[in-house]
Amino acid sequence: GQQVMQIPQYQHVQEGEDFTTYCNSSTTLSNIQWYKQRPGGHPVFLIQLVKSGEVKKQKRLTFQFGEAKKNSSLHITATQTTDVGTYFCAHLSGTYKYIFGTGTRLKVLA
Amino acid sequence: DVKVTQSSRYLVKRTGEKVFLECVQDMDHENMFWYRQDPGLGLRLIYFSYDVKMKEKGDIPEGYSVSREKKERFSLILESASTNQTSMYLCASSGYRLAGTYEQYFGPGTRLTVT
Repeated sequence: GQQVMQIPQYQHVQEGEDFTTYCNSSTTLSNIQWYKQRPGGHPVFLIQLVKSGEVKKQKRLTFQFGEAKKNSSLHITATQTTDVGTYFCAHLSGTYKYIFGTGTRLKVLA
Repeated sequence: DVKVTQSSRYLVKRTGEKVFLECVQDMDHENMFWYRQDPGLGLRLIYFSYDVKMKEKGDIPEGYSVSREKKERFSLILESASTNQTSMYLCASSGYRLAGTYEQYFGPGTRLTVT
């Protein structure tokens, strides 16, 4: 079945450093969603991308969807301790089924 | 604001017991989902439902069943709990939003321990 691979699995950064997580698929994706899960919390929707080459920004977060719609990235500029958590990409396959990446756990060292 | 609630945050059950996990959403969403989350494995779909009394198997349905008698409520049932079902269970719902976004809203999760 369709799979979405996410790397890296873990990332430790110093506060103020940048961070990027990548999501890759062997097949073309019609959309990609990103979620954030704080430690002890539940995943919370951040954004959805649907267009080839699409770039969206939310403050220090930049989301990209690749030209071939097979990969996506989330980049955080100048990380803060509030960015700690696990970031998941997800693909909505059809109307109902979400396929999640395995997540990237981000730790920010103050 | 969408609210998805789950009946328990923490649950401890014995091997062989029948376990019910309840989930309720208040946004009139058509779609509801049950996932389990384990370290290094991400979120794995157990079952989902796109309408009352309708259900579809996800990626790991073995050992689980579900019930959706009312639109707002989706229950996960472990017929005979086993230790390998110790996990975090997350319920989610989704419905159509602006610009074609079908974002998922998650409940707080139930951490189930089977001893």
